[in-house]
Amino acid sequence: DVVLTQTPPTLSATIGQSVSISCRSSQSLLDSDGDTYLNWLLQRPGQSPQLLIYSVSNLESGVPNRFSGSGSETDFTLKISGVEAEDLGVYYCMQATHAPLTFGGGTKLELK
Amino acid sequence: EVQLVESGGSLVQPGGSLKLSCVASGFTFSNYWMDWVRQTPGKSLEWIGEINTDGSKTNYAPSIKDRFTISRDNAKSTLYLQMSNVKSDDTAIYYCTLGYNYWGQGVMVTVSS
Repeated sequence: DVVLTQTPPTLSATIGQSVSISCRSSQSLLDSDGDTYLNWLLQRPGQSPQLLIYSVSNLESGVPNRFSGSGSETDFTLKISGVEAEDLGVYYCMQATHAPLTFGGGTKLELK
Repeated sequence: EVQLVESGGSLVQPGGSLKLSCVASGFTFSNYWMDWVRQTPGKSLEWIGEINTDGSKTNYAPSIKDRFTISRDNAKSTLYLQMSNVKSDDTAIYYCTLGYNYWGQGVMVTVSS
């Protein structure tokens, strides 16, 4: 199975601060169809996960543009340009290139 | 508005069985693949499996294969997860999801004697 390693496990930020989360894959996530199926999810406290970014860098509808994704092959980054209070929670990367689909261990974003 | 509502979670003894349901609304259910994902207490997410639009094809995570069965009833817009021979490690919140864009509220399954 593909292992996704997220760092850091916990991130403390102040409102307005820009932060980045790393997701490293044990295998290249570039699919034979040319797409890279690496997504980012946010799970706010007490809520179900929600999709933020799909295929590395595509913002899901309704997601604020302070969120951005980048990367390729095995190294990916989620950046939040100016943290807001509603951004607090646990962020997960997930890959759907290789079966079975797998998730990273999560990065908890909390207020400093 | 897309809605996914799971039900059927409960306390079940090791070795027992349980069937979860996920009722979908707000979209044409029969047009979409559906997935089940679980989240163990305090831990990350784990993909369980998926089913195609007419229910003829399913894929499962190796960790649960042969114990869990995913099915669907398109006439009822309902997705199912049949769990058999459950173990303590199956204790988790179970979610149905449409494309990872829409998630149900989750249902708790506790496996304990």
